[in-house]
Amino acid sequence: DAKTTQPTSMDCAEGRAANLPCNHSTISGNEYVYWYRQIHSQGPQYIIHGLKNNETNEMASLIITEDRKSSTLILPHATLRDTAVYYCIVRVWIYNQGGKLIFGQGTELSVKP
Amino acid sequence: DTEVTQTPKHLVMGMTNKKSLKCEQHMGHRAMYWYKQKAKKPPELMFVYSYEKLSINESVPSRFSPECPNSSLLNLHLHALQPEDSALYLCASSPGLAGVGANVLTFGAGSRLTVL
Repeated sequence: DAKTTQPTSMDCAEGRAANLPCNHSTISGNEYVYWYRQIHSQGPQYIIHGLKNNETNEMASLIITEDRKSSTLILPHATLRDTAVYYCIVRVWIYNQGGKLIFGQGTELSVKP
Repeated sequence: DTEVTQTPKHLVMGMTNKKSLKCEQHMGHRAMYWYKQKAKKPPELMFVYSYEKLSINESVPSRFSPECPNSSLLNLHLHALQPEDSALYLCASSPGLAGVGANVLTFGAGSRLTVL
């Protein structure tokens, strides 16, 4: 299974962009990168996913390097409510079973006033 | 309705009890999941159902028994659990395991289980 490596924790000032890196150097050509976050005492929440191209939605942007060995999740204007654990996940595809998400350790993002 | 509802929110049980956790969604999703999460750890995948059939079992002990009676409901039956099974049990659903929306999971808030 492709593994991901993320910093254990990061701080970000409120109103600034939060850039969360993720390394996935063993990713295969057809494996997607997913990002989820988990706010304390809640279930994880889907943020964004991508394969090769950069992606943007109302929550965040995902930048994937050309060699696909790393990616960065960008929260353009972080707020206190963005304080959470952010998980970078490489989807594992099992023939005849489908895709499954295996969560890594994640990055604990603290947004400070 | 864009929610996954889990009941009960909290459950305390003895090692000889039999109990069940329930999960419900009305988004028309055809894939449903159970994850287990210990304190300060990431969620661990337990089971995946696709179109009401068990698709993935991550070598979970038989004291955990999943059931998917229909496309909206997912149960986790618990029997003869150990104190180390105490954790937050998260249910999730997605449109499917392949195609558009695959693995875009909507999670419930979880059921916090304590085994005495």
